[in-house]
Amino acid sequence: QKEVEQNSGPLSVPEGAIASLNCTYSDRGSQSFFWYRQYSGKSPELIMFIYSNGDKEDGRFTAQLNKASQYVSLLIRDSQPSDSATYLCACFSNTGNQFYFGTGTSLTVIP
Amino acid sequence: DAGVIQSPRHEVTEMGQEVTLRCKPISGHDYLFWYRQTMMRGLELLIYFNNNVPIDDSGMPEDRFSAKMPNASFSTLKIQPSEPRDSAVYFCASSRGSGSYNEQFFGPGTRLTVL
Repeated sequence: QKEVEQNSGPLSVPEGAIASLNCTYSDRGSQSFFWYRQYSGKSPELIMFIYSNGDKEDGRFTAQLNKASQYVSLLIRDSQPSDSATYLCACFSNTGNQFYFGTGTSLTVIP
Repeated sequence: DAGVIQSPRHEVTEMGQEVTLRCKPISGHDYLFWYRQTMMRGLELLIYFNNNVPIDDSGMPEDRFSAKMPNASFSTLKIQPSEPRDSAVYFCASSRGSGSYNEQFFGPGTRLTVL
């Protein structure tokens, strides 16, 4: 089992809709969680991080964390074509003192 | 700041050759990470340094891979001898402070093709 699991997609949503990206992790020692966006041929860039249970909002983005269920999600409201990218979920595990990345979910926002 | 700098951006080599990838982290960052990304395995952490000292190299796939950080502004990842299965995009990233709460800034990556 991989430390971080994501649905590879592709996920397609119409412009203006809400895109929901999900991630599960296996290590209960994980304390902080990150969402990175990666455009095709580019390097990952951080969108948000979260380390407390609940929701964290930043503009059109909301990260949700449920440590009991070992589940992290990213909601993108009012999706734009420019949001089309691969979204990588990552966690930092205090157990291994390591970062683990998921394989990413490909999102396409259709104009 | 110019961000994390990696060179070369593209490398094509033949099986058995030595490959050296280079990275200059953002000034003032004390953590440096080397990742490998493939379609099948996603982004994998190979090794990371704190204050130029290797902390965890458990992700280094084989003895053919080695990494050094001789000073705070330079790191290398070497593959010797290279094999076709090493073909991937290699990213270097740096951060300030402990990685648990601090953003990692990624370089543009080196696309390695081993024929």
